[in-house]
Amino acid sequence: TQLLEQSPQFLSIQEGENLTVYCNSSSVFSSLQWYRQEPGEGPVLLVTVVTGGEVKKLKRLTFQFGDARKDSSLHITAAQPGDTGLYLCAGATLGTDKLIFGTGTRLQVFP
Amino acid sequence: DAGVIQSPRHEVTEMGQEVTLRCKPISGHNSLFWYRQTMMRGLELLIYFNNNVPIDDSGMPEDRFSAKMPNASFSTLKIQPSEPRDSAVYFCASSFGTPDYGYTFGSGTRLTVV
Repeated sequence: TQLLEQSPQFLSIQEGENLTVYCNSSSVFSSLQWYRQEPGEGPVLLVTVVTGGEVKKLKRLTFQFGDARKDSSLHITAAQPGDTGLYLCAGATLGTDKLIFGTGTRLQVFP
Repeated sequence: DAGVIQSPRHEVTEMGQEVTLRCKPISGHNSLFWYRQTMMRGLELLIYFNNNVPIDDSGMPEDRFSAKMPNASFSTLKIQPSEPRDSAVYFCASSFGTPDYGYTFGSGTRLTVV
C-alpha cells in the first residue's frame, strides 16, 4: 500500500510567519500535486510538480519535488489568515490514473 | 462550466436503508473518481472510471458498496444496506488525460447513518 505521510499534522501560527509542510513516501510517483481544502468544500488544486528536483512558485507559496520523486515540500512565506485550510499532497501512481492523497496538514493562521 | 456537481449535499438515513449518491462530472473529462473522507482515514479512493468503464474498485470497502457510470455525464455510488460506520463525506472528482492535469472535485455529500 502506498502511503503519503504529511508533517506536521496541525500548525497554528501568527500572520506574517513562515512555514513548511512536508510530504514523504517510500514510493516513487510520476508527479505530485498539492491541494487546499476549505470547510464544506472539495480540495482545490494548487500546483503539479513533475520533474525530480523541480521547484515551482505561486506568489508566496513555493513547492519542491524531491530528486528521487518520493517527497515534496510546501513553503509559505508571510502567512495570511486567507491561507487557513487543509493542505493535501497527492501522488500520481506510475502507470495509472490514480492519485493517492496524503494524510493532510491543517493550517490555522491567526491575525 | 459549473464544475463537478454532486447531490445531495447532505444525507441523513437510518441504518439498513439504501443510499444513492450522484455525480455529474465536467463535460469533456474522461476519468471519474469516487473518494471518501473521514477524520480517521483521510481521503480514500473508492473506485475510478475511465471512459465510463470501471478501472480499479480495490478501494470499495465491501459488497454493500457499488458504483455505476451509465454515460459520460453521470455516475452513482450506492450503499445498500447502509451502516453507521459509512458516515463520511463522499467526494466525486473528474479529470482529463493524465493525473498531471489534476482533479476537479465536487463539493461532496455529507452522509450520516444513524
